[in-house]
Amino acid sequence: ETGVTQTPRHLVMGMTNKKSLKCEQHLGHNAMYWYKQSAKKPLELMFVYSLEERVENNSVPSRFSPECPNSSHLFLHLHTLQPEDSALYLCASSDRTGGLEHFGPGTRLLVL
Amino acid sequence: EDKVVQSPLSLVVHEGDTVTLNCSYEVTNFRSLLWYKQEKKAPTFLFMLTSSGIEKKSGRLSSILDKKELFSILNITATQTGDSAVYLCAVEAFINTNAGKSTFGDGTTLTVKP
Repeated sequence: ETGVTQTPRHLVMGMTNKKSLKCEQHLGHNAMYWYKQSAKKPLELMFVYSLEERVENNSVPSRFSPECPNSSHLFLHLHTLQPEDSALYLCASSDRTGGLEHFGPGTRLLVL
Repeated sequence: EDKVVQSPLSLVVHEGDTVTLNCSYEVTNFRSLLWYKQEKKAPTFLFMLTSSGIEKKSGRLSSILDKKELFSILNITATQTGDSAVYLCAVEAFINTNAGKSTFGDGTTLTVKP
């Protein structure tokens, strides 16, 4: 399988649940990203991993916890979320030449 | 703080028209400027621009960057209803040699009427 994949594609969770979003890239890229897209707001950068090391954490609440176990996989662990966290969560990857050319299909999250 | 401003925010045209979408930016440590098309799903990459004055072209779409004046335009000629989408501009700054940090604009919503 090529490109950037994300699972699950849709997720409904209660505020007390714990869930994880998964992202996988088979492009040989060495940087991976989490973005959040809420209704009527621009895409917001959450986290950047470069060579499996977190290099950017954009003032994201601690109820979001990223994990990058290797260069192909990225997780976003969710716990005690709020309804305002409902959004489309997008994973992306890039190589050394730059440019976010590859977004995953996203996980549409609804927090009840 | 990096900033991207797109204009207009929305645009309605008829099939066959030509449109120009604008993107101005402020960024520290510029790496690239990117254009995307977004329908009801994840953004689809269109262009990455790193050098001033070099037009990138793909079919009816083209884009150019002016690094002195800090703006870019996206042109779409002979528009079709399938071009209806939100067009996103993003500016990427270097974090290190392996990674960048992209700041997105609000997008331009283009509606092409038959």
